Amino acid sequence: DAKTTQPTSMDCAEGRAANLPCNHSTISGNEYVYWYRQIHSQGPQYIIHGLKNNETNEMASLIITEDRKSSTLILPHATLRDTAVYYCIVRVQDNAGNMLTFGGGTRLMVKP
Amino acid sequence: DAMVIQNPRYQVTQFGKPVTLSCSQTLNHNVMYWYQQKSSQAPKLLFHYYDKDFNNEADTPDNFQSRRPNTSFCFLDIRSPGLGDAAMYLCATSRGLAGGGQETQYFGPGTRLLVL
Repeated sequence: DAKTTQPTSMDCAEGRAANLPCNHSTISGNEYVYWYRQIHSQGPQYIIHGLKNNETNEMASLIITEDRKSSTLILPHATLRDTAVYYCIVRVQDNAGNMLTFGGGTRLMVKP
Repeated sequence: DAMVIQNPRYQVTQFGKPVTLSCSQTLNHNVMYWYQQKSSQAPKLLFHYYDKDFNNEADTPDNFQSRRPNTSFCFLDIRSPGLGDAAMYLCATSRGLAGGGQETQYFGPGTRLLVL
């Protein structure tokens, strides 16, 4: 699986958009980009994933560059409850399951 | 609501005393995973079951074993816990779609293990 690089931490003002970058320069053509987050003392929570097109759901938007070497997770209106560690993971889907290799993640602090 | 359940949320054991952590799911998913997460670190996969097929990660210590008696339940057994095994243990599930596809994993709240 391709490795990912994320900033260790970021701050965001409440109500503003939070833009979390992820570099995955060695991604291959069949690898998906997944984003999970982990709020303190809870299990990780799936946010969104994509292959090459931009994706949006009720939680966030995912912007993937044309060369697929980087992506950005966008939380359009961050709230205090969005304070968490955000993990960017690239992964090939196979028949045996979807093993996730978590990297360091970005610790997002949403401030009032 | 369908979910992944881990009880208890906190488990205390003694050094060297076997301990079992439990996970159950109401999602009827084929795949169940166990992760270990030490303080301030990312979760690390220990092993997973695809239905009844057990798949161990290469660097998972022999001290860690798992059982899956049926679709709904999966257990993590630590035969002789050491101080270094104190961690959060996370259970997760996914559908395990035949032919691939895009899957998400659903995580339980975790069990925090303390070894005295």
